[in-house]
Amino acid sequence: QKEVEQDPGPLSVPEGAIVSLNCTYSNSAFQYFMWYRQYSRKGPELLMYTYSSGNKEDGRFTAQVDKSSKYISLFIRDSQPSDSATYLCAMSGYQGAQKLVFGQGTRLTINP
Amino acid sequence: ETGVTQTPRHLVMGMTNKKSLKCEQHLGHNAMYWYKQSAKKPLELMFVYNFKEQTENNSVPSRFSPECPNSSHLFLHLHTLQPEDSALYLCASSQDRGAYNEQFFGPGTRLTVL
Repeated sequence: QKEVEQDPGPLSVPEGAIVSLNCTYSNSAFQYFMWYRQYSRKGPELLMYTYSSGNKEDGRFTAQVDKSSKYISLFIRDSQPSDSATYLCAMSGYQGAQKLVFGQGTRLTINP
Repeated sequence: ETGVTQTPRHLVMGMTNKKSLKCEQHLGHNAMYWYKQSAKKPLELMFVYNFKEQTENNSVPSRFSPECPNSSHLFLHLHTLQPEDSALYLCASSQDRGAYNEQFFGPGTRLTVL
């Protein structure tokens, strides 16, 4: 079993839709959770970072962590064509960890 | 130049060739990383350097040889690669403060091994 599972998609939705991206994990030691966004021909860039359970909102983006279910989500409201990218979840077990465990990424396309 | 830069952006090599990938970070960070990104697979950490010292080797085959002459530069020397080594190789850097260390990635080198 992979430590982190993420549906690779592709996922295609119309502009303005609410998008839900998810990862599940098996290691209960994970406490720090990240979402990276990777545009075509670019490296990943950090989008959201959360610690432990709960929600975190930043503009149109909301990251949600449910440690009891070992499940994390990223919601995108009012999706825009510029949100079209691959979204990678990543996690680690302790603060300052350099070794992150990544999901395989979900490729998202927002259609105008 | 800003952020993390990588050269070349694309590389095609035969299995008997020797080539090197270069990474430079302009962020004043003290940690640098090499990752391998293959289609439909998670990002794989290969090596970590802290203050020029290698602190992580994630069971990488010896045909990949990293070099970190200073905190701003990182190389990945390649020799006798296999076709399955074709992938996007990403370099990243971070500032190790003990708290959360955001990793900043370069655009990657797309490597094709024939």
